[in-house]
Amino acid sequence: AQTVTQSQPEMSVQEAETVTLSCTYDTSESNYYLFWYKQPPSRQMILVIRQEAYKQQNATENRFSVNFQKAAKSFSLKISDSQLGDTAMYFCAFMNRGAQKLVFGQGTRLTINP
Amino acid sequence: SQTIHQWPATLVQPVGSPLSLECTVEGTSNPNLYWYRQAAGRGLQLLFYSVGIGQISSEVPQNLSASRPQDRQFILSSKKLLLSDSGFYLCAWNEGAQAYTFGSGTRLTVV
Repeated sequence: AQTVTQSQPEMSVQEAETVTLSCTYDTSESNYYLFWYKQPPSRQMILVIRQEAYKQQNATENRFSVNFQKAAKSFSLKISDSQLGDTAMYFCAFMNRGAQKLVFGQGTRLTINP
Repeated sequence: SQTIHQWPATLVQPVGSPLSLECTVEGTSNPNLYWYRQAAGRGLQLLFYSVGIGQISSEVPQNLSASRPQDRQFILSSKKLLLSDSGFYLCAWNEGAQAYTFGSGTRLTVV
């Protein structure tokens, strides 16, 4: 079974700093998808970024970018110029191609301080 | 555009009472539908998923059941709630390998 591990339960940075959240996963498959979701205090799950494993280029969405290392099974999220509104739980998630189930990590609670 | 509706937002129920949470999706046909539970401060646990009407897959043996009576309707039920059923329940949908879109969630407290 696939597993997703987020080794940082909590992180805290100052506004405008850059922060990197770690995620590793375990799979024997070669075709899959990786995601980062954000869950603010409202608890609404919001998609931050999506990466397809067969693409070597790292995905980016404005201030959010990933460092996808397929051989190392690592998928970290970098948030540049962090803002107070980035304060949230961040979840890394994995989906096998051809399967519908999304497997989540335990989350990292990120606090952006003014 | 597609939207997902989940209700109620908050629910307090006594132990032993029944449960029915509803989720509907608009603007798409034959979506994949999911129920997740999130314990306080923890990750999301997949409870059920459905790839079509009447097709339900259960991930974790428990006190809950799910049904899909219509293409875009997904219901989470229990005949008798336990204290351990308390949590935050999220419905989600997707198509193929697209990212999930989540509902706004239901906070269930069993007392």
